[in-house]
Amino acid sequence: AQSVTQLGSHVSVSEGALVLLRCNYSSSVPPYLFWYVQYPNQGLQLLLKYTSAATLVKGINGFEAEFKKSETSFHLTKPSAHMSDAAEYFCAVSGNFGNEKLTFGTGTRLTIIP
Amino acid sequence: EPEVTQTPSHQVTQMGQEVILRCVPISNHLYFYWYRQILGQKVEFLVSFYNNEISEKSEIFDDQFSVERPDGSNFTLKIRSTKLEDSAMYFCASSEIAGGDEQFFGPGTRLTVL
Repeated sequence: AQSVTQLGSHVSVSEGALVLLRCNYSSSVPPYLFWYVQYPNQGLQLLLKYTSAATLVKGINGFEAEFKKSETSFHLTKPSAHMSDAAEYFCAVSGNFGNEKLTFGTGTRLTIIP
Repeated sequence: EPEVTQTPSHQVTQMGQEVILRCVPISNHLYFYWYRQILGQKVEFLVSFYNNEISEKSEIFDDQFSVERPDGSNFTLKIRSTKLEDSAMYFCASSEIAGGDEQFFGPGTRLTVL
C-alpha cells in the first residue's frame, strides 16, 4: 500500500520568499512521486515527477523537489514566490510497475502575501 | 497542445437518477482513469481502464459505477443511482503508458446530487 502525507494544509509566504511544501511518502515498492498544482476551478497540472532517475527534479514555473529515500520525503521548493503561485498543491505517489493509480495527499493551499 | 476534455462542466441531478460523465482523453493515450474530489477533501482514485477493461478499481467504485469506452475517443463514467454522497468533482485522466508516466487531467465535472 502507498500513501503520502502533506504537512500543513495551509501555507502562507510573502512574495519573493522561499516556498517549501512538505510531502512524506510510504511505499512498499520503489515509488514514483509527483507534485500537481490545482488553480481555482481548474484540473490538476503536473509540476514535476520523480521516476528513479536524478533525485533532484526540476519542474515547471521554477519549482523543484528532492527525493530523499532516507527521510521518505519529496518536498517541493521554489526560491522566490510569485503571486501567480497561489494555488492548491498535491503530492502523489504511484507504483513503478503495473500499479499506475495515483494516491494523493490531502493538499496544501499556498497563499502569497503581497 | 493536446488536452483531456470533460463534459458537462457541471451536472445537477436528483438522488436516484442515473448520470453519465463524459471524457475525451488525449488521442494517442492508452490508459484512462477516473478520480473524484469531494469538496474540501483529497483527490481519490476510482478506476483505471486499459485495453477495454478495468485494470484496477477502488472500494468507492461499487456496483453503482461503471465505465465504458464506447468508441475510439470517448471514455464515460456512469453512476446508476446517484446518492447525496456522490456529490463531488470528477476528474478524468489519461496517460500514454503506465508505471510513472504523467497522467493528464481534464478540468473536471462538478456533480451535485440533490
